[in-house]
Amino acid sequence: DAMVIQNPRYQVTQFGKPVTLSCSQTLNHNVMYWYQQKSSQAPKLLFHYYDKDFNNEADTPDNFQSRRPNTSFCFLDIRSPGLGDAAMYLCATLGSGRMQFFGPGTRLTVL
Amino acid sequence: RKEVEQDPGPFNVPEGATVAFNCTYSNSASQSFFWYRQDCRKEPKLLMSVYSSGNEDGRFTAQLNRASQYISLLIRDSKLSDSATYLCVVNIKSGIQGAQKLVFGQGTRLTINP
Repeated sequence: DAMVIQNPRYQVTQFGKPVTLSCSQTLNHNVMYWYQQKSSQAPKLLFHYYDKDFNNEADTPDNFQSRRPNTSFCFLDIRSPGLGDAAMYLCATLGSGRMQFFGPGTRLTVL
Repeated sequence: RKEVEQDPGPFNVPEGATVAFNCTYSNSASQSFFWYRQDCRKEPKLLMSVYSSGNEDGRFTAQLNRASQYISLLIRDSKLSDSATYLCVVNIKSGIQGAQKLVFGQGTRLTINP
């Protein structure tokens, strides 16, 4: 059974058109993460939450926002996507033993 | 200097060969260490944790040297199915009290040839 679910799996948007990616988890984990991964690069942390406490990385563009309305759900909003924002966006949770559980990712294409 | 550095490869080796990956990290306060495997266009998946005493899981052996801030992964008797990108990952304290975050190396791409 899927434990970290991301929707949609593939998202196409137009340059400048806002887009929201969603993540849900059935694990009841306190910590959730959003990563951006571009081709042939390492996943890059954008944000993370411990419950409602939020932290964005210093180099996360202002164009990216996040919301976590409850333990199970987390959203990534890209206000004005540019061509450089095309990437795989990975959601993850942190479990016991300091292991992360990743969702399957949403592949974003910007036209 | 990157927080986690790996040789990006690619490594191309014949089936049955032994392959070794190396990784260094810069944050001496790093708390835990992992190797992840990522297949093309898929999410990273945990391969194994890495402990100071060294640990083995079948054909895979991981080592950690805290003094040198160095992590390694050895794959013996490599299989075609081992072809993937291997990511060295370090867990450090985050900006939120009680939380942690993973920092990924850029990954080493491995191709096993028949």
